[in-house]
Amino acid sequence: DAKTTQPPSMDCAEGRAANLPCNHSTISGNEYVYWYRQIHSQGPQYIIHGLKNNETNEMASLIITEDRKSSTLILPHATLRDTAVYYCIVRAYFGNEKLTFGTGTRLTIIP
Amino acid sequence: GAVVSQHPSWVICKSGTSVKIECRSLDFQATTMFWYRQFPKQSLMLMATSNEGSKATYEQGVEKDKFLINHASLTLSTLTVTSAHPEDSSFYICSARGQGLSDTQYFGPGTRLTVL
Repeated sequence: DAKTTQPPSMDCAEGRAANLPCNHSTISGNEYVYWYRQIHSQGPQYIIHGLKNNETNEMASLIITEDRKSSTLILPHATLRDTAVYYCIVRAYFGNEKLTFGTGTRLTIIP
Repeated sequence: GAVVSQHPSWVICKSGTSVKIECRSLDFQATTMFWYRQFPKQSLMLMATSNEGSKATYEQGVEKDKFLINHASLTLSTLTVTSAHPEDSSFYICSARGQGLSDTQYFGPGTRLTVL
């Protein structure tokens, strides 16, 4: 069963903020939202994760709605190197639950 | 972030031979390692999970006798594809989760296997 829903593709102009949405309406109280990205022919790269508060690091910001049923990953100033497939995954923080990848969003940064 | 390496980055082998792929956590101790497979234009599919010193747990449909996984130390896991066939050609990616990393999984760069 798919735990998250993401648009299959998005375009964003270089230098602009890229906002990638994710729906996770069945998220449980102990599940975090993780974001990874995969640049062509490479392994996935961890970006950020959060539970209910908004999070920010050097790569991106994560905005989680108050009801936790959706979230948005924000790349503040997109560059061509941000072109990748972005995966939104929900997973319990501890324990043996696995990261299960969906189809993600293919983000293309336009020069 | 934590660094995971894989070796080799690509390999070409003849049908019927065995291929070993190494996965190392370079700056942390990996209590759990994962092996994924990715076919062209598809998402990552988990093959198996292994804890250091224990037998791997395989996902449904993955042949444990064909994909041998060894996680003998906290920094090394190996995947051996035995008697490889062309349909085993794929992108194999390992991932590790370890102590002091807030339970986050980090991924290696992947190994491209081509079986002729």
